[in-house]
Amino acid sequence: KNQVEQSPQSLIILEGKNCTLQCNYTVSPFSNLRWYKQDTGRGPVSLTIMTFSENTKSNGRYTATLDADTKQSSLHITASQLSDSASYICVVCRSSYKLIFGSGTRLLVRP
Amino acid sequence: DAGVTQSPTHLIKTRGQQVTLRCSPKSGHDTVSWYQQALGQGPQFIFQYYEEEERQRGNFPDRFSGHQFPNYSSELNVNALLLGDSALYLCASSLSAGGLQNIQYFGAGTRLSVL
Repeated sequence: KNQVEQSPQSLIILEGKNCTLQCNYTVSPFSNLRWYKQDTGRGPVSLTIMTFSENTKSNGRYTATLDADTKQSSLHITASQLSDSASYICVVCRSSYKLIFGSGTRLLVRP
Repeated sequence: DAGVTQSPTHLIKTRGQQVTLRCSPKSGHDTVSWYQQALGQGPQFIFQYYEEEERQRGNFPDRFSGHQFPNYSSELNVNALLLGDSALYLCASSLSAGGLQNIQYFGAGTRLSVL
């Protein structure tokens, strides 16, 4: 069954600290893996896209990793800011229209 | 350059009613996808429209239907509303020629509450 599982479900960290979010998937076939940030009441915004051959991709303070062998990905946030408070959704793409979404990790950054 | 716009922002309906949600894609995009996002869950794919045709459909009943217009804008219609249809409905646009790494740009969504 095609599934994307994320952990933890929720996370609270202090401003300035780092954190890592996890994503495990069983989706096949695999085209690419995406991380989205979704602010409350807003639509998701793409952070990174990684194909099978890419291990790491950065976007500012966000760094995503991908291990296609173990079917795991992580999103590392460095020096967190209050504006990082949001849900982070891992999405595995099977084709241009078959996107399998995880349930997301809700991150709260406290001052 | 306007991004993806959806209307209305919020909507309250009662069981059995019908609803129409609207989406204007990002300028230059020709493909529109619709998703349903229940509270605390990830989006679930409803269907995708390209060239005014439904190209693919997720696991949703026929009560969910759509349309794409020549200007690429799209509508999502839901008939015979159920309480379980309460959710955030997201529209995403993309460019069909973008390939497999094509990024979908999401609108802010329409929050539908069915009472």
